[in-house]
Amino acid sequence: QKEVEQNSGPLSVPEGAIASLNCTYSDRGSQSFFWYRQYSGKSPELIMSIYSNGDKEDGRFTAQLNKASQYVSLLIRDSQPSDSATYLCAVTPVGSNYKLTFGKGTLLTVNP
Amino acid sequence: DVKVTQSSRYLVKRTGEKVFLECVQDMDHENMFWYRQDPGLGLRLIYFSYDVKMKEKGDIPEGYSVSREKKERFSLILESASTNQTSMYLCASSSPTERYGYTFGSGTRLTVV
Repeated sequence: QKEVEQNSGPLSVPEGAIASLNCTYSDRGSQSFFWYRQYSGKSPELIMSIYSNGDKEDGRFTAQLNKASQYVSLLIRDSQPSDSATYLCAVTPVGSNYKLTFGKGTLLTVNP
Repeated sequence: DVKVTQSSRYLVKRTGEKVFLECVQDMDHENMFWYRQDPGLGLRLIYFSYDVKMKEKGDIPEGYSVSREKKERFSLILESASTNQTSMYLCASSSPTERYGYTFGSGTRLTVV
């Protein structure tokens, strides 16, 4: 069973701090990695994608990928209360290029 | 700028009814998916389709069927709705040109009474 693991949280950070969200995956051959943000009662929204080892930055968001450790993370700098949401990690496993495997998500709360 | 449209945001149906959930995407994506999402259980794949008239079962297909007669439309059918099918239903689409990242619709909150 190919798995994606995330801490369920809640992860609570003060406004302005860096929030660090982590994800591990079991399929070593996975190629594509995605982070989705989901507000309560809403559908997931793609916020970051990463395909090669290293860091990828987009505004306040940085995705980090380490394929050797099978680890992907999302850093949110200068966290805002509007960042409070559940963050889902998703991975494209080998042999299933079009079907993502999702983690169960980490609930982030940013306190004013 | 809506890309994946689900026909209903909220739906209330009676036990035993046949229920149709419609999903339309305007991005010319090859792949389309139906998930349900329940608290503590995460996203669970019901059915997916990688081409017109093609469909494959996901992890929880029992009690559901799908139809994809046109590339842009993927319908989920609850043959005889039951209370345990009360859930948030999410449609998504993807394409190899976008490395298979999903675009989700806004979701349908279905309540079966």
